[in-house]
Amino acid sequence: NAGVMQNPRHLVRRRGQEARLRCSPMKGHSHVYWYRQLPEEGLKFMVYLQKENIIDESGMPKERFSAEFPKEGPSILRIQQVVRGDSAAYFCASSPSLMNTEAFFGQGTRLTVV
Amino acid sequence: DQQVKQNSPSLSVQEGRISILNCDYTNSMFDYFLWYKKYPAEGPTFLISISSIKDKNEDGRFTVFLNKSAKHLSLHIVPSQPGDSAVYFCAVNPAGKSTFGDGTTLTVKP
Repeated sequence: NAGVMQNPRHLVRRRGQEARLRCSPMKGHSHVYWYRQLPEEGLKFMVYLQKENIIDESGMPKERFSAEFPKEGPSILRIQQVVRGDSAAYFCASSPSLMNTEAFFGQGTRLTVV
Repeated sequence: DQQVKQNSPSLSVQEGRISILNCDYTNSMFDYFLWYKKYPAEGPTFLISISSIKDKNEDGRFTVFLNKSAKHLSLHIVPSQPGDSAVYFCAVNPAGKSTFGDGTTLTVKP
């Protein structure tokens, strides 16, 4: 059973470009979470999705960031018009159910904006 | 307002001794607590959890203690091994999503 797969592992974008981060959850998991880790900080919740639905996006910046989890295919975190402050490690996690279970994390995508 | 705080950014212990990592939280309504371990360039991996109906949970060398009145939990690792060197995050997960502390970097010296 493959774990949570994130790609790319490393992504370099120039300011103003778009960044697309992909996450395939573990087989059988329908709950996906995105987190961001800035240097020297902990993981900050961004968004929680189930298939085709955004359940909680309270941690998402109001502009330039969007996420989706289509019926088929991976979850996508999209950052438009990236700025240097978007440079961070972005982690995706999945779980089989909603409440009170641990999440399984991918290895992350390290985004660098130059 | 940080809901989960790990006040020690780093901890260094000798191999074979006990490691104690601490975590404080603010909301008494939190009912499930987790510890994750993270190596550089990897994602966090789940280590151990505890429900608010318990005050202790043990798994091999790892034990988590929960003090609800003090809103405090701790992770004990005994005996500590060099392979335990990593960043440890405590987390709470109301409503199915986790809120993480900033982590404590544990270094176990041979």
